[in-house]
Amino acid sequence: AQRVTQPEKLLSVFKGAPVELKCNYSYSGSPELFWYVQYSRQRLQLLLRHISRESIKGFTADLNKGETSFHLKKPFAQEEDSAMYYCALLGAGGTSYGKLTFGQGTILTVHP
Amino acid sequence: DAGVIQSPRHEVTEMGQEVTLRCKPISGHNSLFWYRQTMMRGLELLIYFNNNVPIDDSGMPEDRFSAKMPNASFSTLKIQPSEPRDSAVYFCASSLGASNQPQHFGDGTRLSIL
Repeated sequence: AQRVTQPEKLLSVFKGAPVELKCNYSYSGSPELFWYVQYSRQRLQLLLRHISRESIKGFTADLNKGETSFHLKKPFAQEEDSAMYYCALLGAGGTSYGKLTFGQGTILTVHP
Repeated sequence: DAGVIQSPRHEVTEMGQEVTLRCKPISGHNSLFWYRQTMMRGLELLIYFNNNVPIDDSGMPEDRFSAKMPNASFSTLKIQPSEPRDSAVYFCASSLGASNQPQHFGDGTRLSIL
């Protein structure tokens, strides 16, 4: 079974501070991982995916298979980063094929 | 591209009534997903379709919930009879193929059952 864990329900930082949103996963195969963001009362949007290895809005995430983690990081948080962030894992085989499993989400608040 | 379109945006109804949520996926996408979002349980996959065929409905809470996809451009999620605990935001998402392609979400339907 695939599982995604985001241990922090709430995370508060001040503007300009570094931020790290934690994500750990459990999956027997080769994972396909994503970060989605949901701004207040808006739809979920794809923020980044691990295979792209890109930086979006200053955010990066590195897949660490040894630690089964995919933490989201940004060196200098901005107020507009305040949102709900979901880590998600896409199943690639068996009954998990095509199934996107989300973590519980982390609400990030960036204070001025 | 207008993206995934859901209707209605908001629905308020009394318990016991039938509720129908609608979704139009992005043109060309052949996978469609229904999710429920609540504060307590976060985002849960209810059911997903591939090429209009239901693939996994293990997340559908109970028999009161049903979903259909009569064609590639339309899907419904129906709750009958509705209960207050069904109150949540229901999202529809679509993707180009189920594997390794990101899902694109609609704006959601905020459902309140009184």
